[in-house]
Amino acid sequence: EDQVTQSPEALRLQEGESSSLNCSYTVSGLRGLFWYRQDPGKGPEFLFTLYSAGEEKEKERLKATLTKKESFLHITAPKPEDSATYLCAVQAQGGSEKLVFGKGTKLTVNP
Amino acid sequence: DAGVIQSPRHEVTEMGQEVTLRCKPISGHDYLFWYRQTMMRGLELLIYFNNNVPIDDSGMPEDRFSAKMPNASFSTLKIQPSEPRDSAVYFCATAEGSGANVLTFGAGSRLTVL
Repeated sequence: EDQVTQSPEALRLQEGESSSLNCSYTVSGLRGLFWYRQDPGKGPEFLFTLYSAGEEKEKERLKATLTKKESFLHITAPKPEDSATYLCAVQAQGGSEKLVFGKGTKLTVNP
Repeated sequence: DAGVIQSPRHEVTEMGQEVTLRCKPISGHDYLFWYRQTMMRGLELLIYFNNNVPIDDSGMPEDRFSAKMPNASFSTLKIQPSEPRDSAVYFCATAEGSGANVLTFGAGSRLTVL
């Protein structure tokens, strides 16, 4: 069974304090790994797709990386508006379009 | 584009009542997914459709849950009878094309069953 585990569950940072979120996964052949951001009371919003080990994607203060067993979401010099829950998901090879999500990391950035 | 539109945004009902959640997908998106989110279990896929046809309903908890997509512009998720353990936020998400991995989510329907 495909599984996604995210850590930590919650993270508090001071504005400007860089850190990383972890996403460990087990999947029967990775088709893609995805990062989403979810604000309170809203649906998740797509951030990145990674397809193969070694791949990196960047968007503003966020950078996502991928290895064969895990992905990291690096946050550089975060701002309060980066506060949200960050969700990781995997899609397995084999034809199904199903995404399996982790439970997320709730990030709080204090000014 | 108005995005994925879900209704109602909030529903409070009593155990045993029928609940119907609705979703209007983004025009042109040929995949539609129903997810349920709880603190304990996170986001779980219930069912997904491709071109209005149900493809995988293995996540539907039990026979009390049913989903339909009568046309490309509308889908419903029905719970009958509802139970307190069904309390959760239900999301509809849609995607375009093969791969269907960039999901656009609606704002969700928060269901509370008393």
